Amino acid sequence: EVQLVESGGGLVQPGGSLRLSCAASGFTFSDHYMDWVRQAPGKGPEWIGRIRNRANSYTTEYAASVKGRFTVSRDDSENSLHLQMNSLETEDTAVYYCARSTSGKILDYWGQGTLVTVSS
Amino acid sequence: AIRVTQSPSSFSASTGDRVTITCRASQGVVSQFAWYQQKPGKAPNLLIYAASTLQSGVPTRFSGSGSGTDFTLTISGLQSEDFATYYCQQYYSYPFTFGQGTKVEIK
Repeated sequence: EVQLVESGGGLVQPGGSLRLSCAASGFTFSDHYMDWVRQAPGKGPEWIGRIRNRANSYTTEYAASVKGRFTVSRDDSENSLHLQMNSLETEDTAVYYCARSTSGKILDYWGQGTLVTVSS
Repeated sequence: AIRVTQSPSSFSASTGDRVTITCRASQGVVSQFAWYQQKPGKAPNLLIYAASTLQSGVPTRFSGSGSGTDFTLTISGLQSEDFATYYCQQYYSYPFTFGQGTKVEIK
């Protein structure tokens, strides 16, 4: 069974940093691209970033809203995905989901999410 | 970025109804389009990808159609567990973008 479990969310002040993690199990993690998607309270999902697999040189893509502030990384030996978030803004308040990508396209499995609140 | 416009934003329906939700992309995305269902407090759940391919385990009352810029999700025979919010998404180009959502409520 595919499982994705996020952790690391919490309350942080504007300008602060936070690192989210996603523990994957039930599939060959190293084969898949992995994504982060966030959802602000009462809003629709917003895709924010992707990391490709080793075969594609672990290259990344980012949404303009987070580019230069957020970094997606992965550790295939630990089956884990990470999101380093710096220079956080109140607009970054959201539930953050990790998602598995299949065929480099569809987001077919999502974690349960972790809440990040940016507030003073 | 490709904008995805979803309609309606919400509506009420009864069990057994046939319901349709539409999305329009601001530019062509071929068939690289997906639909998700989301219930309160839960992650989105993939229903349909490639515009019309049913994800494994999803009931056959769900169907998708369209290509290019216009897409439709149809639920044929609404069940109680289908009352939820539905989102569409294009994955043709970065950044992947979602519609604003359609909340299906009980009449």
